[in-house]
This record gives sequence, structure tokens and C-alpha cells, in this order.
Amino acid sequence: DIQMTQSPSSLSASVGDRVTITCRASQSVKSYLNWYQQKPGQAPKLLIYAASSLQSGVPSRFSGSGSGTDFTLTINSLQPEDFATYYCQQSYSTLLFTFGPGTKVDIK
Amino acid sequence: QLQLQESGPGLVKPSETLSLTCTVSSGSISSRNYYWGWIRQPPGKGLEWIGSMYYTGSAYYNPSLKSRVTISVDTSKNQFSLKLTSVTATDTAVYYCARHFSNYWNFDFWGQGTLVTVSS
Repeated sequence: DIQMTQSPSSLSASVGDRVTITCRASQSVKSYLNWYQQKPGQAPKLLIYAASSLQSGVPSRFSGSGSGTDFTLTINSLQPEDFATYYCQQSYSTLLFTFGPGTKVDIK
Repeated sequence: QLQLQESGPGLVKPSETLSLTCTVSSGSISSRNYYWGWIRQPPGKGLEWIGSMYYTGSAYYNPSLKSRVTISVDTSKNQFSLKLTSVTATDTAVYYCARHFSNYWNFDFWGQGTLVTVSS
């Protein structure tokens, strides 16, 4: 099984900050890496697919990078609506799609 | 805009079968390149993929749940369903249905989720 880890598990930031979240896979997933945002009481929302492609309708302040085992999600100029939990998901192994444990971004 | 809506009992007794249905609207469940999946999230915890099925019947299941899970698709009703047998308290979770895009295997549209509690 491909294990996913994320760091940090939580962070506090201010509106306008640049935030970077890291996701690491236990083996190469090439570029089969997706990022989701989840707000309390809501379903996850796809932000980034294939490591760096922005999902339609997602603000351009969100960006993704990486390949192989190491990936990052960057939020430029954090907005009030961006306070949420962020999950990565590997989609390389069709035997078992796995999510990272999540990174909670809250207000400093 | 594609919409997905879960429905089913919110309370299931231990050892019984959890059954949920996802109704797809404003889009066809028979679309090429799209599987239809289930993901769950125990209260306060992370996301776990349960399984995904193509409208033709081709399916992938999480190996840890495979012996207890069945996903089926009803193209005439534009619905797909989840059955999870022999449930225990550890199966208590919010269950989401989602569209699973097979080009990148991302989940691009989600239902709002439904909480299923396993308790006697």
C-alpha cells in the first residue's frame, strides 16, 4: 500500500500570508496526486489534480507542485474562506486510493 | 452542474447491513471516463476510499473492506449504491458519494455526505 503523510498537521496563519503544505508518498506516485479542501460540515472540494493542474473554478492563489514522492500545495495571500483542512490523495495505485491525514489551517 | 445526493438510513444496528444510494442529477451515470465512488470519514478523522464502479460493472474496492462491500450501478435510475455488511461501531462515519474521473483518478464532484451511526 502507498502511505501518504502530510506536514504540518496543523498551522496557524493570518489573512494575506503565503501557506505551504507538504505531502509525501511512501513510494513514487509520479504526478498522480490530488489536493482537496474541506470545511467543517462540508464535503471535500477538489482544488488541484495531477499534482499541478488547477481544477476549474478554483482561485489562482492555489497552486500545486511536485512529482514522485514529494508534493506541495501553496496558497498565496490566504483569504478568510481558505481556513479549512487540506488533504492530499494519491491516485497512482488503482488497487487502493489513499488520502493523507490532513492539514488544518486556522486563524492566527 | 452535476449533483450527487446520498440517501439511506442514518442508524444501523451492529452486524446488520448498511445500505446507501447516491442519485446523480444533471449528468449521466453512463458517461465515459467516469467511475462512481464511495468515500467515508469517521467523526473527527480523515478520509477513506471504499470503492468505485464504472457503469459497465467494472469495479475497484479497498482491500481492507472488499469482503464486506458491494457497489452497484442502476443506469435506468441514474443511481449507484453501496452495501456494507456485518457493520460494527467502527463503520460509523459520514459516507460520501463522488464522481471519480478515471483520467487522473480524482474525485471531482461530491455529494453532501450522510452520517451513518452503527449502534444498537
